[in-house]
Amino acid sequence: QQQVKQSPQSLIVQKGGISIINCAYENTAFDYFPWYQQFPGKGPALLIAIRPDVSEKKEGRFTISFNKSAKQFSLHIMDSQPGDSATYFCAARDPSGAGSYQLTFGKGTKLSVIP
Amino acid sequence: DGGITQSPKYLFRKEGQNVTLSCEQNLNHDAMYWYRQDPGQGLRLIYYSQIVNDFQKGDIAEGYSVSREKKESFPLTVTSAQKNPTAFYLCASSIGQVPTEQYFGPGTRLTVT
Repeated sequence: QQQVKQSPQSLIVQKGGISIINCAYENTAFDYFPWYQQFPGKGPALLIAIRPDVSEKKEGRFTISFNKSAKQFSLHIMDSQPGDSATYFCAARDPSGAGSYQLTFGKGTKLSVIP
Repeated sequence: DGGITQSPKYLFRKEGQNVTLSCEQNLNHDAMYWYRQDPGQGLRLIYYSQIVNDFQKGDIAEGYSVSREKKESFPLTVTSAQKNPTAFYLCASSIGQVPTEQYFGPGTRLTVT
């Protein structure tokens, strides 16, 4: 059972445009939602994260929007640049159960920003 | 220069052989994790350890084994029982037992033929 569904699988955006990646979840116990950025052949790096008590968090050109009632959250990349071309993963943390505090990852979105 | 190191970057093995992937961190983090990454599959948790001499199975532990004898080291052995071992393996660590942020190593690409 996939607990975090991420879409789209791939995304092509023109330089200067807005990139939007969406994630949906079912487990209402999730209490922390990070986004990771991964370049080819490298390990993922934390980009930005949000907790469910806020609806939006912005860091530079990156914004997370969080809709608790819809159980959805999204990453917006403003003024997208070719250097943003990477694979992005959303994740969620479950503080309950035997595997407490594990992160569950979405399947990833490959973003290509074209000049 | 703090961080997580994984070695080697590329590893090739024949089918039927066990292979051990190295993961070392000098961040003084308590918790360490092993993930497997396949194209289009995201990251799947293999094993994790919250303290020395203790570890738990993740979602796909079958065919893998780990040890945590030292805080800074968390080696992963891919055994011959793992049916499809070719993948990109990522090690991560977090500062406490609550992973508010996981720091990832550069990964090891294992190819088994």
